[in-house]
Amino acid sequence: DIQMTQSPSSVSASVGDRVTITCRASQDISTWLLWYQQKPGKAPKLLIFLASSLQSGVPSRFSGSGSGTDFTLTISSLHPEDFATYYCQQAKSFPLTFGGGTKVEIK
Amino acid sequence: QLQLQESGPGLVKTSETLSLTCSVSGGSISNTDYYWGWIRQPPGKGLEWIGNINYSGDTYYNLSLKSRITISVDTSTSQVSLTLNSVTAADTALYFCVRWSSSVGWFDPWGQGTLVTVSS
Repeated sequence: DIQMTQSPSSVSASVGDRVTITCRASQDISTWLLWYQQKPGKAPKLLIFLASSLQSGVPSRFSGSGSGTDFTLTISSLHPEDFATYYCQQAKSFPLTFGGGTKVEIK
Repeated sequence: QLQLQESGPGLVKTSETLSLTCSVSGGSISNTDYYWGWIRQPPGKGLEWIGNINYSGDTYYNLSLKSRITISVDTSTSQVSLTLNSVTAADTALYFCVRWSSSVGWFDPWGQGTLVTVSS
């Protein structure tokens, strides 16, 4: 199985801050990497697919990069609605696996 | 707009069978571009993929659960079903129905989720 490791597990930030979340795969997954945002009590929402492609309707302050084993999700300027938990997911091979999540909290 | 709606009992007794149904509306369950699947999330924890199925019944299962799970599809009613046998407290989770794109690997959209608690 491909293990997905996210860091940090939580980050405290203020509105307007730039936030970067890292996801590392235990083996090469090319660009088969997705990012999701989950708010409390809600289902996850797709943000980015194929490592860097922005899903339709997602604000451009979200961006993704990386290939192989190392990936990043960047929020260029935090908005109040961005405080949530973010998950990466690999789609290179079964079983499809997720990172442990990164909670973005208000400082 | 495609919508997924999970339904099923919120409480299941230890060692019994968990059965959930996902109703698909606003789109065709027979679309050859997609699979339909289940993901679960224990309270306060992360996401675990359970398995996927397409309209013709081809399945992919998480091997960690494979001996206990069955996913089926009914195209006549646009429903996808999940059964999980011999449940324990570790199966307590929010269960999400999802659509999966095999071409880009994303899960989108997701149902709202249904909480299943396993207790004796």
